[in-house]
Amino acid sequence: AQSVAQPEDQVNVAEGNPLTVKCTYSVSGNPYLFWYVQYPNRGLQFLLKYITGDNLVKGSYGFEAEFNKSQTSFHLKKPSALVSDSALYFCAVSPTGNTPLVFGKGTRLSVIA
Amino acid sequence: DGGITQSPKYLFRKEGQNVTLSCEQNLNHDAMYWYRQDPGQGLRLIYYSQIVNDFQKGDIAEGYSVSREKKESFPLTVTSAQKNPTAFYLCASSQIDKGQGQETQYFGPGTRLLVL
Repeated sequence: AQSVAQPEDQVNVAEGNPLTVKCTYSVSGNPYLFWYVQYPNRGLQFLLKYITGDNLVKGSYGFEAEFNKSQTSFHLKKPSALVSDSALYFCAVSPTGNTPLVFGKGTRLSVIA
Repeated sequence: DGGITQSPKYLFRKEGQNVTLSCEQNLNHDAMYWYRQDPGQGLRLIYYSQIVNDFQKGDIAEGYSVSREKKESFPLTVTSAQKNPTAFYLCASSQIDKGQGQETQYFGPGTRLLVL
């Protein structure tokens, strides 16, 4: 069965520093990978996705993610964190097209001024 | 959140009562989904539907029911059989990709259900 692990419940980073939010997955076949962000009491907002092609995917708000097949990882990165990036981040995977996503438990990012 | 509306924003349920959460989308998406979010547990799939008049159970369907009579609407009923309904409920929709891709799911703003 497919699964997603976000090993860190909380990530703290100083404003202006680079940030990384980790995600590893387990799925048979070629995965479809997604990152979403959630602000308090709001729905999830789509950030980026990997379907095929370049391993480095660029998304909204300056975020990017690197797909690493050998390490089964899809870490979210940003070169310079903003206080407004503070939110809950979810990684999700689908093993095939048009099947429901499986979500990780989320990582809370706190960017400190 | 654009294109998907959920109502109400807050909902209170009494013991033994069934309540219905509304989800409407104007994105002309084929597929719709309901998720439950609890602190520290991420999102768990309740039901999903890929076509009108058809739906499938997700991982935690017990105590819930859905209908899909119209493409744009996918209401969720929380029945009295759901003993721990307090949670944040999120509706999502996506287009069905006819090729090999996985279309992005877009989410509504959510409904918070509380038990009195």
